[in-house]
Amino acid sequence: DIQMTHSPSTLSASVGDRVTITCRASQDIGSWLAWYQQKPGRAPKLLIHRASTLENGVPSRFSGSGSGTEFTLTISSLQPDDFATYYCQQYNSYWTFGQGTKVEIK
Amino acid sequence: EVQLSESGGGLVQPGGSLRLSCTASGFIFNTYAMTWVRQAPGKGLEWVSTLSGSGTTTYYGDSVKGRVTITRDNSKNMLYLQMNSLTAEDTAIYYCAKVREVAPMHPFDFWGQGTLVTVSS
Repeated sequence: DIQMTHSPSTLSASVGDRVTITCRASQDIGSWLAWYQQKPGRAPKLLIHRASTLENGVPSRFSGSGSGTEFTLTISSLQPDDFATYYCQQYNSYWTFGQGTKVEIK
Repeated sequence: EVQLSESGGGLVQPGGSLRLSCTASGFIFNTYAMTWVRQAPGKGLEWVSTLSGSGTTTYYGDSVKGRVTITRDNSKNMLYLQMNSLTAEDTAIYYCAKVREVAPMHPFDFWGQGTLVTVSS
């Protein structure tokens, strides 16, 4: 089974900060990686698929990069609406989520 | 507009069974694979099961394999999850989600609001 590992688990940041979240896969998954945002009490929202392709309607301050085993989600200028938990997901072999990174207010 | 709505959650005793349902609308249901994802209280997301659009190919996570069955009724735009031999570790919000593309091995682009399953005596 493919394991996905986030770092950090929690991230404290301020509005306007550049934020980077890393996700590592236990084996090569090519570019078959997605990122989701989840707010408390809400269902997850798909932000990025195929490692770097933004879903329609997702603000351009979000970007994704990486391939193989190491991936990043970057928020170029953190906005109040962005405080949430972010999950990576591999879909190279079945589906596995990482444990998540909570972005909280500093 | 794609809409997904789960039902069937509730309190069940350990060892019991429960059938979850998901009503879908706003897209050509029989074209897309559908999936169930769960989230234990205060925990992360866990993929549970996926079913192809035709209903002929199933995928199950290791933690539920042999205890759950995913099915669909394309004539009614419904997705189901039959869960048996439930334990406290199955306590979670269960989300129904649509797979983004026709082929199953893709991420999930639309989600329901979830239904809570609580396994407790």
